[in-house]
Amino acid sequence: EAGVVQSPRYKIIEKKQPVAFWCNPISGHNTLYWYRQNLGQGPELLIRYENEEAVDDSQLPKDRFSAERLKGVDSTLKIQPAELGDSAVYLCASSSSPPTQYFGPGTRLTVL
Amino acid sequence: DAKTTQPTSMDCAEGRAANLPCNHSTISGNEYVYWYRQIHSQGPQYIIHGLKNNETNEMASLIITEDRKSSTLILPHATLRDTAVYYCIVRVAWKAHAGNMLTFGGGTRLMVKP
Repeated sequence: EAGVVQSPRYKIIEKKQPVAFWCNPISGHNTLYWYRQNLGQGPELLIRYENEEAVDDSQLPKDRFSAERLKGVDSTLKIQPAELGDSAVYLCASSSSPPTQYFGPGTRLTVL
Repeated sequence: DAKTTQPTSMDCAEGRAANLPCNHSTISGNEYVYWYRQIHSQGPQYIIHGLKNNETNEMASLIITEDRKSSTLILPHATLRDTAVYYCIVRVAWKAHAGNMLTFGGGTRLMVKP
C-alpha cells in the first residue's frame, strides 16, 4: 500500500514569494490533515479536511495561508507571501480511522 | 484533552529493551493513549494505542497502569533504527470528536547506542 505522498521534499524561497505544497493521501482515506513542525517541536495542526470540506481551520493563518482539497483526494497548501517565520516542515497526514493518522515525509521550507 | 509528561531524552543500548514512560494523570475514562514516533527527516509514524488493557503489536508493547495515570512503551530489542523522538498522546477515539486531532508535545528523544 502506497503511503502519503508529498512534494516537493525541499523548497527554498525568498521572503514575500509564494509557495505551494502538494499532498496525495492514502487511497480511501477521507480525512486529510496539514501540520506545521518547527525545529525541535512537535507538529501543530493547521487544517483538517473531511473529504473536500475544511472542517477545522482555526489554526490556519488565513491572511497568507490557503488550502484546498478538490474532489476530496489531493490537497494543496499555499503560502502567499511567505515570511521568514514560515520556515518549517509542512506535514500532510491522512486517516480512515481517526485518530490513527498516517503521515507523509513532509516538505522542508526555508524562507531566506 | 489530558496532558502528558515525558522525559526529554533517554539512551538505550542496542539489543536491550527500551522502556519509555509517559505520565497522563488527568486522563479521562474515554481517552486512549497513543504512541507515535518520528525518525529524523521523516513524518511521525503510528506505533500503538490502548485504552486500559496492555497491547502488543509487531513494533512494540504498551503497558498501561491500572489507574491509567501512566503508561510505558516498550521496544523489546532496540536497534539503531529505533533512534527517534517518541510522542505519547492522549485522545478520545470518536470520529466525531473534533476530528480526533493529535496534539503533539515535545516527546522523548530516544538514542539507541551500539
